Amino acid sequence: AQSVAQPEDQVNVAEGNPLTVKCTYSVSGNPYLFWYVQYPNRGLQFLLKYITGDNLVKGSYGFEAEFNKSQTSFHLKKPSALVSDSALYFCAVRDIPGTYKYIFGTGTRLKVLA
Amino acid sequence: KAGVTQTPRYLIKTRGQQVTLSCSPISGHRSVSWYQQTPGQGLQFLFEYFSETQRNKGNFPGRFSGRQFSNSRSEMNVSTLELGDSALYLCASSFTHSDEQFFGPGTRLTVL
Repeated sequence: AQSVAQPEDQVNVAEGNPLTVKCTYSVSGNPYLFWYVQYPNRGLQFLLKYITGDNLVKGSYGFEAEFNKSQTSFHLKKPSALVSDSALYFCAVRDIPGTYKYIFGTGTRLKVLA
Repeated sequence: KAGVTQTPRYLIKTRGQQVTLSCSPISGHRSVSWYQQTPGQGLQFLFEYFSETQRNKGNFPGRFSGRQFSNSRSEMNVSTLELGDSALYLCASSFTHSDEQFFGPGTRLTVL
């Protein structure tokens, strides 16, 4: 069955330290991969996506993600965390070709401590 | 460019009633998806419409239905409401299937 896993419900990191939010997936084909962020009382916002090409993709607000096909992972990273990065992060996969469904992970709450 | 809009923003209903939620996508976007967000389940995909056709459907009972109009606006209907339907319902639009989705602010539905 197709699925997306975000193994950590919450990640705590000190401001200025690097952060990683993990995501693994299980879908057929060559899926499209996305990260979204949800700030308190605000809607979901797109951060970055991987469709093809370079395994390291760069997105908004200094975030980047690394696609690893052999490990079926798409971890979100940032070299230096800011308190303002504290939010709920969702990994998503579009099953292409296949069902074309969007499958979201359960979300990881990132807390950056000052 | 105006973002995705959803109306109403808040709804309170009682069990057994039905409800209709509305979504207006970004101008030019023909794909509209609906999601249910709850604290315990995260984002659950409901369905996707493209050019007035339902292209995909999630694992929800038939009480959940939707449609898309020729101007790409979409509506979602839930009949015979249950307490467990209380959630934030999000609408998202995109230009094509490879593009990122743009989300609306959601409709908070409370079923009493």
